[in-house]
Amino acid sequence: GAGVSQTPSNKVTEKGKYVELRCDPISGHTALYWYRQSLGQGPEFLIYFQGTGAADDSGLPNDRFFAVRPEGSVSTLKIQRTERGDSAVYLCASSLIHEPTGFTTGELFFGEGSRLTVL
Amino acid sequence: DAKTTQPNSMESNEEEPVHLPCNHSTISGTDYIHWYRQLPSQGPEYVIHGLTSNVNNRMASLAIAEDRKSSTLILHRATLRDAAVYYCILRDVGFGNEKLTFGTGTRLTIIP
Repeated sequence: GAGVSQTPSNKVTEKGKYVELRCDPISGHTALYWYRQSLGQGPEFLIYFQGTGAADDSGLPNDRFFAVRPEGSVSTLKIQRTERGDSAVYLCASSLIHEPTGFTTGELFFGEGSRLTVL
Repeated sequence: DAKTTQPNSMESNEEEPVHLPCNHSTISGTDYIHWYRQLPSQGPEYVIHGLTSNVNNRMASLAIAEDRKSSTLILHRATLRDAAVYYCILRDVGFGNEKLTFGTGTRLTIIP
């Protein structure tokens, strides 16, 4: 389909393991976001990419979390030494950039998320 | 970030209009008002956004108070598929500040 695709849809891992979550944004969307959502809470911002660079990583909780977008399209969120508190749904979103202003249009298209469970 | 306040939950009858309120008394002049909704087991979905004037699209209408300290999302005729959590978000379009900060939203229940 033409929407944002996230894989895997579900991931169960053990405490201390390394995890990668992948996001395929909508073709042509320069802006890409990662959020995470715990049960009963709204999505929590993690990081924002404009093209290949992380323009805002202020939401990454600690240095165990890292994200890359090497070619400006697909992005990978990497979590090292996972902890039980990392269990959540990780959401990816993409958006167009309004070229005259350089800002996103404000219309984010979200994927269905990757549910991470750390045992 | 300027904050928004929404009721935790609301109920509405099917086929009736729904008015979802949002207070944002500390809104700044460069804050856009965005609404997203999240259906069960799905990612959030964009609904509408505006700055000062009321806005309409195929999904909903956004009514913005003259002083911009509050806004209302209007669903003209609720269906069961509109049952979701609705988030009112302020977005400052200052350079480099592109994140949307979600709160806990309003859980809308539609009664058949």
